[in-house]
Amino acid sequence: GAVVSQHPSWVICKSGTSVKIECRSLDFQATTMFWYRQFPKQSLMLMATSNEGSKATYEQGVEKDKFLINHASLTLSTLTVTSAHPEDSSFYICSAKDRKAYEQYFGPGTRLTVT
Amino acid sequence: AQRVTQPEKLLSVFKGAPVELKCNYSYSGSPELFWYVQYSRQRLQLLLRHISRESIKGFTADLNKGETSFHLKKPFAQEEDSAMYYCALRKDSSASKIIFGSGTRLSIRP
Repeated sequence: GAVVSQHPSWVICKSGTSVKIECRSLDFQATTMFWYRQFPKQSLMLMATSNEGSKATYEQGVEKDKFLINHASLTLSTLTVTSAHPEDSSFYICSAKDRKAYEQYFGPGTRLTVT
Repeated sequence: AQRVTQPEKLLSVFKGAPVELKCNYSYSGSPELFWYVQYSRQRLQLLLRHISRESIKGFTADLNKGETSFHLKKPFAQEEDSAMYYCALRKDSSASKIIFGSGTRLSIRP
């Protein structure tokens, strides 16, 4: 079946630094990838929709200059948290939509802790 | 704007008892509805979608457009059903983004 991977699975960084999270579709091409944020015991909040070769579409309230998204190929999207602060600590989950189907597959998530 | 509501944060039932996880949505069009499940320490995965009209792991869900509901049901709960369940909505099959409800934690007691 379709697999989506994320790297790293967890990361700890110091306040003020930037962190890059990768999302890859391993055995299918994804024209669209999505980035979600999940706080403890809460639901997934959509942050942005990433389309290959074009600018990401951010949800209301999400700072595009803080959460930089790049979707350079049909199998890779990256989320960079710039100048991270402790309040950015969260679980970040990506999902990828198979270009040949309507199915959306989820990655395992990346836990970011900002100290 | 579309919205998904799951009124129960936690649902605890005994093994063998029936289960119903409630989901209501608000959207003026004809959306696609989904149920996703997240088992402990595993990634989110699709359980079922309304257009498939299928039963997965004994679970079924019927879209009621009049009540704008998509409740998830299983007649006899099993311990392995313990997980986090999310109801989700997509505006239509051509749309991209999926909006999630707040989730319900299902706990099956032995």
